[in-house]
Amino acid sequence: DAMVIQNPRYQVTQFGKPVTLSCSQTLNHNVMYWYQQKSSQAPKLLFHYYDKDFNNEADTPDNFQSRRPNTSFCFLDIRSPGLGDAAMYLCATSRDWAGAAYEQYFGPGTRLTVT
Amino acid sequence: GENVEQHPSTLSVQEGDSAVIKCTYSDSASNYFPWYKQELGKRPQLIIDIRSNVGEKKDQRIAVTLNKTAKHFSLHITETQPEDSAVYFCAASGNTGNQFYFGTGTSLTVIP
Repeated sequence: DAMVIQNPRYQVTQFGKPVTLSCSQTLNHNVMYWYQQKSSQAPKLLFHYYDKDFNNEADTPDNFQSRRPNTSFCFLDIRSPGLGDAAMYLCATSRDWAGAAYEQYFGPGTRLTVT
Repeated sequence: GENVEQHPSTLSVQEGDSAVIKCTYSDSASNYFPWYKQELGKRPQLIIDIRSNVGEKKDQRIAVTLNKTAKHFSLHITETQPEDSAVYFCAASGNTGNQFYFGTGTSLTVIP
């Protein structure tokens, strides 16, 4: 059964045209993450939510925003995509942190192409 | 923030041999260290993890060792098989426990 779902799996957008990627989870995990992964590189953490608390990485461009309207859903908004934003975007979840981290569950990713 | 370094970047071994991948981390407060396997075009999959209160953990052909003093941890794969070929990432949890920082990855090729 799917636990972390990402839609769409493939997204093509034009340079400068806003795009939204979505992630949903059936695990009822409190923490949700967004990563950017470019070809042959490691996943790079963009931001994460602990419940509704938003945590932005210091080097995440302002062009990237996120929303988490409820426990199950999280969105990644790219306000003005550039060619350099073409990548795989991975959503992940983990359960409550209680002094230690727990396993992350990754979605299948959304492959973003910018034309 | 945390800085995780991983070596080697590529590794080729003959089927049946062992493979070792090493990672170092910078934040002494990190306390959870997972290893992921990622096949081309697929999501990272957790293969083994270790917490800072444990020095070694084994699961069949896969083992992980942790040296907290030296701030390094290693993945050991024994009796490698062609299906072990993939990119392997180490990661460390940040001092808040919610952030994960990945190493740069090791592309492992097992030659039949």
